[in-house]
Amino acid sequence: QSVLTQPPSVSGAPGQRVTISCTGSSSNIGGGYDVHWYQHLPGTAPKVLIYANTNRPSGVPDRFSGSKSGTSASLAITGLQAEDEADYYCQSYDSSLSGSGVFGTGTKVTVL
Amino acid sequence: QVQLVQSGGGLVKPGGSLRLSCTASGFTFSDYFMNWIRQAPGKGLEWLSYISGSGRIIYHADSVKGRFTISRDNAKNSLYLQMNSLRAEDSAVYYCARSYYGSGSYLIYWGQGTQVTVSS
Repeated sequence: QSVLTQPPSVSGAPGQRVTISCTGSSSNIGGGYDVHWYQHLPGTAPKVLIYANTNRPSGVPDRFSGSKSGTSASLAITGLQAEDEADYYCQSYDSSLSGSGVFGTGTKVTVL
Repeated sequence: QVQLVQSGGGLVKPGGSLRLSCTASGFTFSDYFMNWIRQAPGKGLEWLSYISGSGRIIYHADSVKGRFTISRDNAKNSLYLQMNSLRAEDSAVYYCARSYYGSGSYLIYWGQGTQVTVSS
């Protein structure tokens, strides 16, 4: 079971800005551990969008940005495009899980 | 370039066994933690297991502890997941993934995924 909570879905029109929240606890995000974000398109492997809270791997558009504060983190997508329709997961380290990573519950982004 | 190529999925009856494999290339395999992640139909990603580069540190999630075993063969650049006593709820797409560095760090490279279906 996931210990990181995300909204099940968010939606927006093309060109709009959407944000996805990820709420954890003191054993993960609140403990100072980094948050990472993945984009998961159907039939493909998840892909890292943001690592270590705010960093984008090369090739990821700057429309995607991450932030972290306290026990929560957020992913923002600005200038929403049709190809952004996918599932998004946050991930962090959890000290109560013997050093394992943990995923968020996942958020489906729909482009209207 | 880095590649993780998975094999070994398929259809198995409840109570049966299956072994998944993941063969790596493009990096020094023994230097990195490796992981198994799964996604059941209609569900989110679940972190199942990790293993250190040497194989000495291993973790299994409670959902699979005692039934699944992660292992690696660094001479063959291969990661394995032995799955025993399979249940219907183990039906999922299984992914192997390489950690960026240590346990719990982000998963920088992923295999293509392999389908496991547990059904009579």
